[in-house]
Amino acid sequence: ELKVEQNPLFLSMQEGKNYTIYCNYSTTSDRLYWYRQDPGKSLESLFVLLSNGAVKQEGRLMASLDTKARLSTLHITAAVHDLSATYFCAGTQETSGSRLTFGEGTQLTVNP
Amino acid sequence: SAVISQKPSRDICQRGTSLTIQCQVDSQVTMMFWYRQQPGQSLTLIATANQGSEATYESGFVIDKFPISRPNLTFSTLTVSNMSPEDSSIYLCSVTGTGLPYEQYFGPGTRLTVT
Repeated sequence: ELKVEQNPLFLSMQEGKNYTIYCNYSTTSDRLYWYRQDPGKSLESLFVLLSNGAVKQEGRLMASLDTKARLSTLHITAAVHDLSATYFCAGTQETSGSRLTFGEGTQLTVNP
Repeated sequence: SAVISQKPSRDICQRGTSLTIQCQVDSQVTMMFWYRQQPGQSLTLIATANQGSEATYESGFVIDKFPISRPNLTFSTLTVSNMSPEDSSIYLCSVTGTGLPYEQYFGPGTRLTVT
C-alpha cells in the first residue's frame, strides 16, 4: 500500500527567500502529482512527474522526482505572498487504477 | 483540461438526512473518483465511480453510506446517507481521461455541514 509523507507540514517564510517542500513515498509510485489549494477552494494541478529525474518548472515553483530515493521536492524560489497556500503531493500506482494517495499537505505562509 | 462542475457548492443539512452531490464534466472521461476532505485534513479517496457497473469503494467506505451512480462518461452522483456531524467535509470529484492520460483534475467541491 502506497503511503505518502510530506514535510514540513507548516512553513512560514519571508518574501524573497527560497525553500523546499519534501514528499516521500513508501513504495513504487508510477506518477507523482503536486497540487495547490487556496483556503475554501478546490485543488489546482501544478505538476505531474512521470519518470526518474523529471524536473518541471512554472514560475517560482520547480518540482523534481527521484524514484530511487522515493522522493519528490517542490522548490520555491524568491517567494512572494501570492504563493501562500496549502501544497499537496500525491502518488499513484498503475495497479491501483490511477487512484491518488495524498500526503498530509504543507501549509505555506509567505510573509511580507 | 477538463472542466468539472459540482452541485450543490455547499449545503447545511440536518443529521439523519441524505444529500446527493452531482459531478458534471464537459468531456468524456475514463475515470471518475470521489474524495473527501475533512476540515483541516488531506484528501481521502471514497470510491472510484465506474460507468455501467458498481463503484469500487476504499477501505472504510461502504455503499450503503455513500451510494454512487455513474450513468455515462460525463456524469456521476455521490449520496451521503443518514448524515451525522462527522460527515461535515468537502466532497470533491476528480477525473482523468483518454485525452489527458496522466492529469487528474478536481471539481470545485461541495462543502457539507451537518448539524
